[in-house]
Amino acid sequence: GDSVTQTEGLVTLTEGLPVMLNCTYQSTYSPFLFWYVQHLNEAPKLLLKSFTDNKRPEHQGFHATLHKSSSSFHLQKSSAQLSDSALYYCALSDQQGTGSKLSFGKGAKLTVSP
Amino acid sequence: EAGVTQSPRYAVLQEGQAVSFWCDPISGHDTLYWYQQPRDQGPQLLVYFRDEAVIDNSQLPSDRFSAVRPKGTNSTLKIQSAKQGDTATYLCASSRDWGAQNTLYFGAGTRLSVL
Repeated sequence: GDSVTQTEGLVTLTEGLPVMLNCTYQSTYSPFLFWYVQHLNEAPKLLLKSFTDNKRPEHQGFHATLHKSSSSFHLQKSSAQLSDSALYYCALSDQQGTGSKLSFGKGAKLTVSP
Repeated sequence: EAGVTQSPRYAVLQEGQAVSFWCDPISGHDTLYWYQQPRDQGPQLLVYFRDEAVIDNSQLPSDRFSAVRPKGTNSTLKIQSAKQGDTATYLCASSRDWGAQNTLYFGAGTRLSVL
């Protein structure tokens, strides 16, 4: 079955330092990968998504490259901002005809301090 | 465009009590999802609908949980006899159509505490 692994539970950074959150996955079929962000007391919202191997979508300074050879979709940002403090979830859906049925990782809580 | 609306925002129950959660998806979205998010964990799919039809409810504890979407618009998730292990945030989401590439739009959730 599909699964997503996020290894960092808690990440604490100083403002201005780079961000990298890891995501690896297992999927029987060709997957779509997503990053969702959830700020405190808010709903999860889409940050990025990708289906194409080695393509790098970007949004709000974040980017992630889908590498099918290593089953990875790591999230990166060159310089963290205070407003980036949130929960980040990696998720996947596959193309076996089950619609947008997302499987989420456990999440990474990013805290950015001054 | 209005987002996904859920109510109530919070619920506190004693074990054995029943509770219902209500979700109004984005207008025109034919697919609706219910996720359970325990504290410090990622969302876990309970059930999802395409229009009024249940597509997958295999993760729904069927002896106590039920979900309906009778007209293919609003949906209700009900817990008949709540247990402490049901303590979690219940998220509703909708998507425009069926494809795996579609973005899910989430509501703010209902935070349930079972004492």
